[in-house]
Amino acid sequence: DGGITQSPKYLFRKEGQNVTLSCEQNLNHDAMYWYRQDPGQGLRLIYYSQIVNDFQKGDIAEGYSVSREKKESFPLTVTSAQKNPTAFYLCASSIHSQMNTEAFFGQGTRLTVV
Amino acid sequence: AQSVTQLGSHVSVSEGALVLLRCNYSSSVPPYLFWYVQYPNQGLQLLLKYTSAATLVKGINGFEAEFKKSETSFHLTKPSAHMSDAAEYFCAAPNQAGTALIFGKGTTLSVSS
Repeated sequence: DGGITQSPKYLFRKEGQNVTLSCEQNLNHDAMYWYRQDPGQGLRLIYYSQIVNDFQKGDIAEGYSVSREKKESFPLTVTSAQKNPTAFYLCASSIHSQMNTEAFFGQGTRLTVV
Repeated sequence: AQSVTQLGSHVSVSEGALVLLRCNYSSSVPPYLFWYVQYPNQGLQLLLKYTSAATLVKGINGFEAEFKKSETSFHLTKPSAHMSDAAEYFCAAPNQAGTALIFGKGTTLSVSS
């Protein structure tokens, strides 16, 4: 089945540590996105990538980094510079970067700082 | 700047009652608009989308939405609520550059028997 796979589903991080969230898609989509979800805040865009080897900052990129070395993969690193990383992280993809088509979402990773 | 506003963070209905979830958008260009549903601890699933073909859009699970340019609205409706409709619903539209979706803050729908 085609889709987007995020791993792990739950992740615990100690303060001061970097952690990497995985996102893989086999939909052959050009564009991929990372969103952060907090209760009552909706989804906020962290980073997006329209093509391989290119990515752009979203609205809340500080404290995060990404790479797009392969079309199917778009990992997100939450660095120690992110002051409040506890949240639900959602990865998405779309067939191309022009948003007249829908985005498809993974099942999310819940990150908790302990 | 493009923005999406969902009126009402919580909506409660009885099973069998009409569901109405409100979404207003701001934009100077014809938008593309989407409604997504999210069940607890899961990703988002597309309910329906508006892409200028027809103002009344039918989606999955009996939901539909009407695009009203004069009111800059794209409200989601369902004639008869089921218990399984209890979830969080998000309205979305492209950002100003058209490079990603921006989302409303969501509306949690509760359905009571």
